[in-house]
Amino acid sequence: DSGVTQTPKHLITATGQRVTLRCSPRSGDLSVYWYQQSLDQGLQFLIHYYNGEERAKGNILERFSAQQFPDLHSELNLSSLELGDSALYFCASSVAVGETQYFGPGTRLLVL
Amino acid sequence: GQQLNQSPQSMFIQEGEDVSMNCTSSSIFNTWLWYKQDPGEGPVLLIALYKAGELTSNGRLTAQFGITRKDSFLNISASIPSDVGIYFCAGQGSGTYKYIFGTGTRLKVLA
Repeated sequence: DSGVTQTPKHLITATGQRVTLRCSPRSGDLSVYWYQQSLDQGLQFLIHYYNGEERAKGNILERFSAQQFPDLHSELNLSSLELGDSALYFCASSVAVGETQYFGPGTRLLVL
Repeated sequence: GQQLNQSPQSMFIQEGEDVSMNCTSSSIFNTWLWYKQDPGEGPVLLIALYKAGELTSNGRLTAQFGITRKDSFLNISASIPSDVGIYFCAGQGSGTYKYIFGTGTRLKVLA
């Protein structure tokens, strides 16, 4: 158990809908990272927050957004969902920027 | 996005055999991490390397930070069925805090 929690574990929705994925980092970690992993693919970096502020963006679509709250948990919002958005979404946390990242168990999103 | 090259992409081995995989980059890295991902689960950190030439073990796993700082190696000795999964490397370059992830090596162990 990495100490990073993600909810929900599974999510099934329809095209055009909007969903919110939640991540709670390890206790004491200030950085939260979001990744997308499509079937049999590697990890694609989406976005990084540090202590409530956005630090870096990766291959994140404009339909996707995220935020980190004062209690350091983070949410990833996916809107106008398309079939191709079906994937595993992971968050990871680290103590500080650039430190070792620890991954959560992921949220499996299926868009029908 | 930018990714490291891992090889092999996949491998089938017999239980009890030793396994070797590597990760290469065109640029120098300051940190190498190795993760294992079980099907449907999140990647779990196996070994972290912070210094060129460093050799670190974690049970049957041994990883090395290449002396050129452009590669890293992971060896698994006496493989067992639960070693099945995807092994990812991740590297952190000089002057950046970002980690770049490798494409993964899919390991399947035949009992």
